[in-house]
Amino acid sequence: RKEVEQDPGPFNVPEGATVAFNCTYSNSASQSFFWYRQDCRKEPKLLMSVYSSGNEDGRFTAQLNRASQYISLLIRDSKLSDSATYLCVVNLYAGGTSYGKLTFGQGTILTVHP
Amino acid sequence: NAGVTQTPKFQVLKTGQSMTLQCAQDMNHNSMYWYRQDPGMGLRLIYYSASEGTTDKGEVPNGYNVSRLNKREFSLRLESAAPSQTSVYFCASSIAGSRDTQYFGPGTRLTVL
Repeated sequence: RKEVEQDPGPFNVPEGATVAFNCTYSNSASQSFFWYRQDCRKEPKLLMSVYSSGNEDGRFTAQLNRASQYISLLIRDSKLSDSATYLCVVNLYAGGTSYGKLTFGQGTILTVHP
Repeated sequence: NAGVTQTPKFQVLKTGQSMTLQCAQDMNHNSMYWYRQDPGMGLRLIYYSASEGTTDKGEVPNGYNVSRLNKREFSLRLESAAPSQTSVYFCASSIAGSRDTQYFGPGTRLTVL
């Protein structure tokens, strides 16, 4: 089983649609969770961190379910500019040192069309 | 403020050749990382440097070496390139460890023939 699994998609949605991505992780000791966005042939960039209580940033809502070991990202009112690959990222904190293993999912491809 | 810069952007090598990928950051970050990204595999950590003067292996270190030249610069060396090392290489940095946001460079697209 992969440490971080995502549905690779692609998801094709019209502008204005609501779309949700899920991600599951295998290690229950994982400490930190993120969603990164990667545009075609570009570097990944942080979209948002994911907190236990859930968090929202404009049209984007991230949620964490530790019991079921999954993370979700909800995008409301999709824009053409939201077309990208969304990477689920999980950090297994090593404790004692500041470094832990950062594991990336394969990414979910989203295409928003007019 | 350029963030994280990488050189070169593109490179074609023949099997057995060597080369060094350069990475520099101007954000005064302590930690730096090298990843490779292959289709269907996600980003995989090659080496990291938690702080100046330290380096450690990541998930896929075989065939690579690194040097943390100073706080700003972290280079990745391929001593004898192999076709399996054809990939996109990303350098990243963070303030102090992987719990912090990682900022990525634009990547180097490497093809080994």
